[in-house]
Amino acid sequence: DAKTTQPPSMDCAEGRAANLPCNHSTISGNEYVYWYRQIHSQGPQYIIHGLKNNETNEMASLIITEDRKSSTLILPHATLRDTAVYYCIAGSGNTPLVFGKGTRLSVIA
Amino acid sequence: DTGVSQDPRHKITKRGQNVTFRCDPISEHNRLYWYRQTLGQGPEFLTYFQNEAQLEKSRLLSDRFSAERPKGSFSTLEIQRTEQGDSAMYLCASLEGGRNEQFFGPGTRLTVL
Repeated sequence: DAKTTQPPSMDCAEGRAANLPCNHSTISGNEYVYWYRQIHSQGPQYIIHGLKNNETNEMASLIITEDRKSSTLILPHATLRDTAVYYCIAGSGNTPLVFGKGTRLSVIA
Repeated sequence: DTGVSQDPRHKITKRGQNVTFRCDPISEHNRLYWYRQTLGQGPEFLTYFQNEAQLEKSRLLSDRFSAERPKGSFSTLEIQRTEQGDSAMYLCASLEGGRNEQFFGPGTRLTVL
């Protein structure tokens, strides 16, 4: 079973920041938080990952709480192309990923 | 395009037939993973390889399923005596040693009639 819980769906206005929450209260000390997304009928796409520090790349920012029990993925300026299912996953570096059902993000014009 | 390719992209078969899918990972990636995804669900792990060695198999991988990675490069996933419940998207992902991000292919969508 997935170690994370996410809201099933969210809406975001185009151009606004999308903030996607994830709870992972049972995460182990050596497990990372990964975010992937899946656009309809495509394979999942890696977005970002982190251990305990906040991380930022060209796609998104990842904010992890100090106790590591939750995190937030931030898409700073959502576009229509960001409409997808977003998966938050807790796991070790090279072990198989355990996906939940994710959050379906709809970006609205 | 992530650099991971899968063939075929779509396969329609009749119940009881055998099917084989191929995955070509990114060339320097030594780990290769197979996942299965049914409608409305996240991908589920099936099996993975480090080079040519199959390291782990999920309980989802019944004895009708077999996977190989003979030279540590491409991999094949075979399903024998297909059942309607095998209808799903089969995804392949690869990972470079020492890294964290898995790169997924576009998937093979299997429909068993």
